[in-house]
Amino acid sequence: GENVEQHPSTLSVQEGDSAVIKCTYSDSASNYFPWYKQELGKRPQLIIDIRSNVGEKKDQRIAVTLNKTAKHFSLHITETQPEDSAVYFCAASGNQFYFGTGTSLTVIP
Amino acid sequence: NAGVTQTPKFQVLKTGQSMTLQCAQDMNHNSMYWYRQDPGMGLRLIYYSASEGTTDKGEVPNGYNVSRLNKREFSLRLESAAPSQTSVYFCASSEALTSGGSNTGELFFGEGSRLTVL
Repeated sequence: GENVEQHPSTLSVQEGDSAVIKCTYSDSASNYFPWYKQELGKRPQLIIDIRSNVGEKKDQRIAVTLNKTAKHFSLHITETQPEDSAVYFCAASGNQFYFGTGTSLTVIP
Repeated sequence: NAGVTQTPKFQVLKTGQSMTLQCAQDMNHNSMYWYRQDPGMGLRLIYYSASEGTTDKGEVPNGYNVSRLNKREFSLRLESAAPSQTSVYFCASSEALTSGGSNTGELFFGEGSRLTVL
C-alpha cells in the first residue's frame, strides 16, 4: 500500500514568517494530494489540494507544490498568523486516502 | 445539512466489552471511512466502504468489524475491546470521484469519538 512520510513533526515560526511542510509518497498511482488542518479537539478540515496534472496551486497565503517524478509535495504558508497554529496533515490518494503523521505548527506572536 | 455525524462522542469501556460506533452522512456520498488517530501516528485507516454494499480493510483492521447499513450509515464495531484500542475515532465520507483510478473527492470528517478502554 501507499506510504506517506511527513516532516517536520513540529515547527515553530515567528508571526509573519513562512512555514514549509514536506511530504513524500511511495505509490506512483496516487494522483490526488490534499492537506488538512486540525485545530485542538476539532475534526480535520481540508485547506488545499492538488491533483497530479498540476505542479502548483495557491490560495491566498497557502500554496502547495507537487513533484510527481520525485514523489514529493509541500505546503507553504506565508505571512503566518497565530490562528495558523494547528496540526497539519498531508495525504495521498489512490483508491483510498493515506495520511502523513502530522506537523504541529506553532506561530509565535 | 449536518454533514457527518458520529456517536457517541465519548465512551469508556472495560477490557473485553463490546461496542458499536455509529456514523451517518447526509451528503449522498458513495464512500465512507473509519480512521483512528493516536498521538504521533496521524490518521490510520481501519476500514472503508467504497460504495453501498462493499467494505474493505485498511491499514489497521484487526479487532474491528464494520457494516455499511445503507448509503448513509457506516458503523464500526469492537467485539472485545483492548487497551490498545484507546484512541480517537473519526468517521469520514467522500464523493469518490475517480480520476485515473484515484479517489479525488474531498474527505469530510465527523467530530470524532474518544474511546478509552481500561
